[in-house]
Amino acid sequence: GENVEQHPSTLSVQEGDSAVIKCTYSDSASNYFPWYKQELGKGPQLIIDIRSNVGEKKDQRIAVTLNKTAKHFSLHITETQPEDSAVYFCAASQNSGNTPLVFGKGTRLSVIA
Amino acid sequence: EPEVTQTPSHQVTQMGQEVILRCVPISNHLYFYWYRQILGQKVEFLVSFYNNEISEKSEIFDDQFSVERPDGSNFTLKIRSTKLEDSAMYFCASSGTMKNEKLFFGSGTQLSVL
Repeated sequence: GENVEQHPSTLSVQEGDSAVIKCTYSDSASNYFPWYKQELGKGPQLIIDIRSNVGEKKDQRIAVTLNKTAKHFSLHITETQPEDSAVYFCAASQNSGNTPLVFGKGTRLSVIA
Repeated sequence: EPEVTQTPSHQVTQMGQEVILRCVPISNHLYFYWYRQILGQKVEFLVSFYNNEISEKSEIFDDQFSVERPDGSNFTLKIRSTKLEDSAMYFCASSGTMKNEKLFFGSGTQLSVL
C-alpha cells in the first residue's frame, strides 16, 4: 500500500521567513496530494491540494509543488505569521480509486514572533 | 460554512464496553470516512463508506468495529468491546462527489479506554 514520508518533524522559523515541508510517496498510482493544517484540539483542515496533472499550485502565501518522477511534493509557506503555527500533514491518495488518503507523520511548525 | 460535526467530544469507557461515536457529515456529501490519531502520531485510515456500504477498510478495522448510516444524516462508528489500545482521537470525515479527495474532517472524539 501507499507510504508517505514527511520531513522535518519539527520546524521553527522567524516570523516573516519562509517554511518548506517535504514529503515523498511510494505508490505511483497516487494522483491526489492534499495538505492539512491541524491546530490544537481540532481536526485536520484542508489548506491546499494538487492533482498529479499539475506541477505547482499557489494560493496566496501557500504553494505546493509536485515532482511525479521523483514522487516528491512540498509545501511552501512564505511570509510566515504566528497564526501559521500548527501541525501540518501531507497526504496522498488515488482519487476515485481504492487507495484511501494516507497521511505523513506531520510537521510541527513554530513561527517565532 | 458547512462542517462535519462529531459527538461526544470526549468519551471515557471501561475496557470491554461498547462505544458508539457519532458524526453528522456535510449534508450533500456522498463519501464518509473514519480516521483515528493516537496521541502524537499520524492520522490513520480506518474505513470509507459509500452508498450504504463499506468501500475500503484498513487492517485496524477488524471485527470489533462497525459503521452505520442509520438515517439520512448520521454516520456512526461502533466499537463492540473496547481495548486499551483503542484509546485515540477518532475523526469523521466526508467528501463530495469524488472519493478520497477534498476530505473535510470533524473536530474529533477523544476516546479514553480505562
